[in-house]
Amino acid sequence: AQSVTQLGSHVSVSEGALVLLRCNYSSSVPPYLFWYVQYPNQGLQLLLKYTSAATLVKGINGFEAEFKKSETSFHLTKPSAHMSDAAEYFCAVSVNSGNTPLVFGKGTRLSVIA
Amino acid sequence: GAVVSQHPSWVICKSGTSVKIECRSLDFQATTMFWYRQFPKQSLMLMATSNEGSKATYEQGVEKDKFLINHASLTLSTLTVTSAHPEDSSFYICSARDPQRGLGGELFFGEGSRLTVL
Repeated sequence: AQSVTQLGSHVSVSEGALVLLRCNYSSSVPPYLFWYVQYPNQGLQLLLKYTSAATLVKGINGFEAEFKKSETSFHLTKPSAHMSDAAEYFCAVSVNSGNTPLVFGKGTRLSVIA
Repeated sequence: GAVVSQHPSWVICKSGTSVKIECRSLDFQATTMFWYRQFPKQSLMLMATSNEGSKATYEQGVEKDKFLINHASLTLSTLTVTSAHPEDSSFYICSARDPQRGLGGELFFGEGSRLTVL
């Protein structure tokens, strides 16, 4: 079975500062990994995904994540935080693209301070 | 990208009544859809996997008689909360994969439906 652990339920950064949201996964087979963002009372929007093509994955809104097999990590970063980045972020794992659901971490709420 | 739409976005009902939430894939066909439930400030909990033309597969602890799921066509799945009670108040989100997008396996999510049971 797969699982995801997101370290830190709440991260607060200053506007313009580096954003680092941590995600570690557990999977017995090579995983697909995802980061989603959720704004209040909305569904989830895909930020980026890892599908084994490249370990450094670039996503929307300036976010990127690096897959590190040795550390079983898939941390999300952004060089400079904007106020609009304040939201809930979820890391998720899957082991295939068939009829299996995603398994989500508990989420990290990002606050951006002016 | 692929679009999944949910309706209604907000619903308030009286205790004991039933509420139906629709989930549609607008620009692709989905043989499988997933229903998640999200409590305030918590993660998404998978409720069930909805399969077109067959019975849904429910996760352990989810009451199948309370949360009726029907996947009548390749673009529509419905979740009916029967005899709703205040503890059923939650944010329900559906999702699906676009099989034409190949490898990746990402899910596309609806906007979510906020259910409040009085």
